[in-house]
Amino acid sequence: SQQGEEDPQALSIQEGENATMNCSYKTSINNLQWYRQNSGRGLVHLILIRSNEREKHSGRLRVTLDTSKKSSSLLITASRAADTASYFCATVDSNYQLIWGAGTKLIIKP
Amino acid sequence: KAGVTQTPRYLIKTRGQQVTLSCSPISGHRSVSWYQQTPGQGLQFLFEYFSETQRNKGNFPGRFSGRQFSNSRSEMNVSTLELGDSALYLCASSLMTSGTETQYFGPGTRLLVL
Repeated sequence: SQQGEEDPQALSIQEGENATMNCSYKTSINNLQWYRQNSGRGLVHLILIRSNEREKHSGRLRVTLDTSKKSSSLLITASRAADTASYFCATVDSNYQLIWGAGTKLIIKP
Repeated sequence: KAGVTQTPRYLIKTRGQQVTLSCSPISGHRSVSWYQQTPGQGLQFLFEYFSETQRNKGNFPGRFSGRQFSNSRSEMNVSTLELGDSALYLCASSLMTSGTETQYFGPGTRLLVL
């Protein structure tokens, strides 16, 4: 079953613009993780935010978490062509099992 | 440190056959999780192994099974293959519990069932 749901499903922006994608989930979480997947390859971990954190930064990435709304957002600033990929959020259920969303496909146009 | 490796990378099988996929985690990692990824269903959790024991299992039929060896290497087996089993199978490893820390993914095995 999928707990995380990303929004939008697809996003196309110009290089240099900022990209924002959202993730909503249904139950209480221990943490929420964001991953990137380049076409047909393995996933790469981007950032983990714990339930007691509200915001986290890593380079050009900024993640926020609102546990009252059960949602998280991933912001990529100053996008580059290499950011073209699918982005997934994953939440942890009570069995410490990761539940994945369907992903947001991000396309950066040169 | 070497990353997670998966073999084979590509596989073509016919319906009714069985297949075994292999995953070698990062050295020192004790947790190995398996996922099936298809365009229609996204990333679906198959099972997680920790210290040779299956700790969690997703909602897949009994045709899907796995095991983990004492060196943490893991295999998954799919018997009586169906067309719908065509997918990218991803393996991920982590030090301890998959849900509380970063998972490191292998490149995946792309399985095509004809």
